[in-house]
Amino acid sequence: EVQLVESGGGLVQPGGSLRLSCVASGFTFSNCNMNWVRQAPGKGLEWVSYISGSSSSIYYADSVKGRFTISRDNAKNSLYLQMNSLRAEDTAVYYCARDSGDYAPFDYWGQGTLVTVSS
Amino acid sequence: DIVMTQSPDSLAVSLGERATINCKSSQNLLYSSNNKNYLTWYQQKPGQPPKLLIYWASTRESGVPDRFSGSGSGTDFTLTISSLQPEDVAVYYCQQFYTTPRTFGQGTKVEIK
Repeated sequence: EVQLVESGGGLVQPGGSLRLSCVASGFTFSNCNMNWVRQAPGKGLEWVSYISGSSSSIYYADSVKGRFTISRDNAKNSLYLQMNSLRAEDTAVYYCARDSGDYAPFDYWGQGTLVTVSS
Repeated sequence: DIVMTQSPDSLAVSLGERATINCKSSQNLLYSSNNKNYLTWYQQKPGQPPKLLIYWASTRESGVPDRFSGSGSGTDFTLTISSLQPEDVAVYYCQQFYTTPRTFGQGTKVEIK
C-alpha cells in the first residue's frame, strides 16, 4: 500500500525557517517524481515544487523561488522541503504528492502537515 | 503560466440529479503528438487530501464510480456527476499537467440541495 507521511509543520515566526519531511512507503521511491502542494486555510490548492526521481530536475512556484528548497534522499525514501524567510502568506497545509509518471497527475497524496507563520 | 478557471464556484444539486462543473484553460492542453489532454480532476472532502478522480480529461482512476465522467478537449473541460450521492459532497479541482507550474483551478464546492 502506497503511503506518504508528512511531518515537520508547526508555528514559526515571520522570517523563520522550517524543514518539512515526507516519508514514502509501498513503492519504489527512487523511480517516482515528487511534489509539494500547499493549501492555505479555506483556500484552494497551490503547487509549490517538483523534484524528479534522480533529483536532476527541480522546479519551484514563483511565490517560493529563492526561499524554499526541495530535496530527497532515496536511500531513506524521504522527500524534504526546506523553507526559509517564511511569510504569513506561507501559512498552509503542505502536502507531498506523487507523480504517476512523467507529465502525469498526482496519484497519491499525504495527509498534510500544517505550517503557521505568525508572531 | 497557464490559468485554470472553474465555473461555477459552488453549486447545490438534489440527490440523484446531475452536477456539472466546467474548467477552462488559458492555453491548449491537447498534446498533438499523443492526442491526449493534460487535464485532471481531483475531489477533496473536508479534512482530507485531494483524491485523483479523472486524468487525460476523461479516464477514470481505478475505483472511481462510473457516475463520474470527464469530457472536453483543448481549453474547455467538464466534470459530470450523473447522479449525485451524499458522499459526493466535496470541493472539486481541475489541474493541468501540460507544463510547470502545474496550475489548479480555484475549486468548485458541490453541496446537496
